[in-house]
Amino acid sequence: DVKVTQSSRYLVKRTGEKVFLECVQDMDHENMFWYRQDPGLGLRLIYFSYDVKMKEKGDIPEGYSVSREKKERFSLILESASTNQTSMYLCASSPGTASSYEQYFGPGTRLTVT
Amino acid sequence: AQKVTQAQTEISVVEKEDVTLDCVYETRDTTYYLFWYKQPPSGELVFLIRRNSFDEQNEISGRYSWNFQKSTSSFNFTITASQVVDSAVYFCALSERRDNFNKFYFGSGTKLNVKP
Repeated sequence: DVKVTQSSRYLVKRTGEKVFLECVQDMDHENMFWYRQDPGLGLRLIYFSYDVKMKEKGDIPEGYSVSREKKERFSLILESASTNQTSMYLCASSPGTASSYEQYFGPGTRLTVT
Repeated sequence: AQKVTQAQTEISVVEKEDVTLDCVYETRDTTYYLFWYKQPPSGELVFLIRRNSFDEQNEISGRYSWNFQKSTSSFNFTITASQVVDSAVYFCALSERRDNFNKFYFGSGTKLNVKP
């Protein structure tokens, strides 16, 4: 079974703090993704990575950065958290480069910025 | 324009009723893939099904069935004899090749409430 784990289920941070969200997958997948999920908006892609040290912007990268130093780990960084970044953050991974591969999701981190 | 549209924001049914979740997609590619995911209250999205653009055969898996129609760009999901455990948010997604990457587009989700 593919396992995607995220470091925290719930997180509360203050405005202006630097926030790290960690994601680890155990199936040697090449691709990893960060989404945020907001009511009525579905899942929106923030960043993705198709290889170690490689990253690509998704649809809403502003205010975020990412790091992938090891294949199994993909970190999302909020440089200076703001209240509009309060959301559910979902990490996913998928094998290979074919568009046929489904994504495997972690349990999500619900981040509240006060 | 949205690539994947799930017009039903929320549906409520009583247990044992049949329910259909609609999904309409938009693409110019001839090769693409469609997916359905279930997100129970625990939060983790669970993969349900994948369909490629060349296979329009309907699929049935237990109480679940999927109707793929390229002519209407739709990939609808039917739950027969719904159960309380089916209560979840369901997402439809499209995968296509863009700029040498695989791009996934998710719909906004349909929340299904099954009442006992």
